[in-house]
Amino acid sequence: TQLLEQSPQFLSIQEGENLTVYCNSSSVFSSLQWYRQEPGEGPVLLVTVVTGGEVKKLKRLTFQFGDARKDSSLHITAAQPGDTGLYLCAGPLTGTASKLTFGTGTRLQVTL
Amino acid sequence: GAVVSQHPSWVICKSGTSVKIECRSLDFQATTMFWYRQFPKQSLMLMATSNEGSKATYEQGVEKDKFLINHASLTLSTLTVTSAHPEDSSFYICSARRGGPYEQYFGPGTRLTVT
Repeated sequence: TQLLEQSPQFLSIQEGENLTVYCNSSSVFSSLQWYRQEPGEGPVLLVTVVTGGEVKKLKRLTFQFGDARKDSSLHITAAQPGDTGLYLCAGPLTGTASKLTFGTGTRLQVTL
Repeated sequence: GAVVSQHPSWVICKSGTSVKIECRSLDFQATTMFWYRQFPKQSLMLMATSNEGSKATYEQGVEKDKFLINHASLTLSTLTVTSAHPEDSSFYICSARRGGPYEQYFGPGTRLTVT
């Protein structure tokens, strides 16, 4: 079974702080995606990482794919209340082109 | 582009009745759509893969006779929860695959409450 474990499960920080969310697996993934989901809404794709060691930046968000393609991290610099939400990593199941398995999720709360 | 809608956004039904949820890709054709279920404070769990013009593929543990999926066109997939029970209450989310394997876009979800 391909499992994606995220840590921490919950994070409450103040505006302006930095944070890192981790997504780990014992399995190799051909790619990993990061989503953010707000209450009562569907997930919104933030980024897809494909190459081992790849780093992608999206404004204050930095995504990294591990060299062995078994893990990924999301780093947020100077968090803002608008960053509040559920962050999910997801990757395609082995042998399928697009069926995704989702990580356990990290709930982030950023307060003023 | 790549907008996916769901209807209704929320629904309350009585135990024993059936409920149909629609998933539409508004500005692209989706050969494949996916249905997920999400319980409060939990992650998404894939229920089934819906391919246009063919039978849906269900994940292990998902009752295909209870969760009927129809993908009649390249822009519409429906999920019908038959003989609903309170334990079926959940947040149901669909996604649509536009082109490449990584391009999957999610709908806003449908909250089902069975009383």
